[in-house]
Amino acid sequence: DAGVTQSPTHLIKTRGQQVTLRCSPKSGHDTVSWYQQALGQGPQFIFQYYEEEERQRGNFPDRFSGHQFPNYSSELNVNALLLGDSALYLCASSLTPSQPQHFGDGTRLSIL
Amino acid sequence: SQQGEEDPQALSIQEGENATMNCSYKTSINNLQWYRQNSGRGLVHLILIRSNEREKHSGRLRVTLDTSKKSSSLLITASRAADTASYFCATAAYASGGSYIPTFGRGTSLIVHP
Repeated sequence: DAGVTQSPTHLIKTRGQQVTLRCSPKSGHDTVSWYQQALGQGPQFIFQYYEEEERQRGNFPDRFSGHQFPNYSSELNVNALLLGDSALYLCASSLTPSQPQHFGDGTRLSIL
Repeated sequence: SQQGEEDPQALSIQEGENATMNCSYKTSINNLQWYRQNSGRGLVHLILIRSNEREKHSGRLRVTLDTSKKSSSLLITASRAADTASYFCATAAYASGGSYIPTFGRGTSLIVHP
C-alpha cells in the first residue's frame, strides 16, 4: 500500500519562474493538505483540498494556488518565485479532514 | 505564526536514557498531535491526544496534556539511536467546514548517541 508520493523530489528554479509540484495521496484518502517547511522551522500550512475544492487556506499570498483532481491527487503551483520560497514542500493526506495526516517526503525547492 | 512551541530546541542523550520534550500553546485546542521527522524526510504521526484526555501511551511513547497550563509533554523511554530525529507538536482546533488544521511548532531536535 503506497503512502503519500510527491514529485519531483528536488527542483531548482530562478526568481520569477513558475513551478508545479505534484502529490498522490495515500490510497483511500480524499483530503490533501500542503505545507511549506523552511530550514530549521516547523511546517507552515498553505491550504487543504477536499472534494476538489480548497477548504482551508493559511497565510500565503495568491501566488500559491492549487488543484485537486477527481482521483484525489493534487498540485501546488507557485508563480513569480522569490528567493524566500526556497523550502521543503510537504503534502499530507488523510481519510477525512479531521483525521491525522500522512506525509510524503516532500519536494525540496531551491530558488537561485 | 506558530501556536505550539517545543522545549528544548535541542536534546542530546545516550542510548537507553529517557527523553522528555515539552510543548506549550496559546489558544484552546481540540487535540494535540506529536510527529517525528527524520532528516530530509516527511513527518510521521506518532500520537494524538484529545483535549479531554490527560495521558496516552503508545509503545515507548507517553504523552501528557494539561489544558489548564496549555502544555503537553512527550516522553520517549529507553531511547535508541534510531529515535534520532526532530519532534514536532501540532495543535488543532476545528475550523469551518468540519476540518481542523494542525499548527506546528519549530520542533525539538533529538540526538541519541549509541
